[in-house]
Amino acid sequence: KAGVTQTPRYLIKTRGQQVTLSCSPISGHRSVSWYQQTPGQGLQFLFEYFSETQRNKGNFPGRFSGRQFSNSRSEMNVSTLELGDSALYLCASSESGTGREKLFFGSGTQLSVL
Amino acid sequence: GDSVTQMEGPVTLSEEAFLTINCTYTATGYPSLFWYVQYPGEGLQLLLKATKADDKGSNKGFEATYRKETTSFHLEKGSVQVSDSAVYFCALKGGNEKLTFGTGTRLTIIP
Repeated sequence: KAGVTQTPRYLIKTRGQQVTLSCSPISGHRSVSWYQQTPGQGLQFLFEYFSETQRNKGNFPGRFSGRQFSNSRSEMNVSTLELGDSALYLCASSESGTGREKLFFGSGTQLSVL
Repeated sequence: GDSVTQMEGPVTLSEEAFLTINCTYTATGYPSLFWYVQYPGEGLQLLLKATKADDKGSNKGFEATYRKETTSFHLEKGSVQVSDSAVYFCALKGGNEKLTFGTGTRLTIIP
């Protein structure tokens, strides 16, 4: 089975621009969650999608949004980029995203905002 | 809300040394507890987990015991190897189904 695939691997943008990141989960997994990783804040939960519906959301501003398609692939969008949005964005998938289920992480997209 | 407090790094040890990385948590109810590991340039991988009090998770020589009385889930390994060099994250999943991570501990093992 292929693992969780995130594209692109690296991205450089300037302040004020917007960006879209993509995540393809493991085949058969219907839950996709997104995390932001920064040296100062560690790993923070952004949101989780299941069957094309946002099921859970972290404490991020509305500039951060996402969606999930019928094939479970997910995209994350950040509008009006700020310098502080520079981070590694990680996507994780699981079969149903509940309880004690194991999460499988992608290698992440490293976003640099200049 | 839920939170995880993890021993700050970086931690540098010699090969074959004993490792402990402390982790304590705050959560309502009975969360599941996890240790994830991130090798350079990679995403996170689940290292071990425990889902109820007194459970011991173990994998690759690493162990952690779910201690409800001290709200702790310390990671231990008896003899570390250079290949264990990575960043280790303690995490919990509570009733809200969100995974809450600690800030991570960078471990470097020198030969």
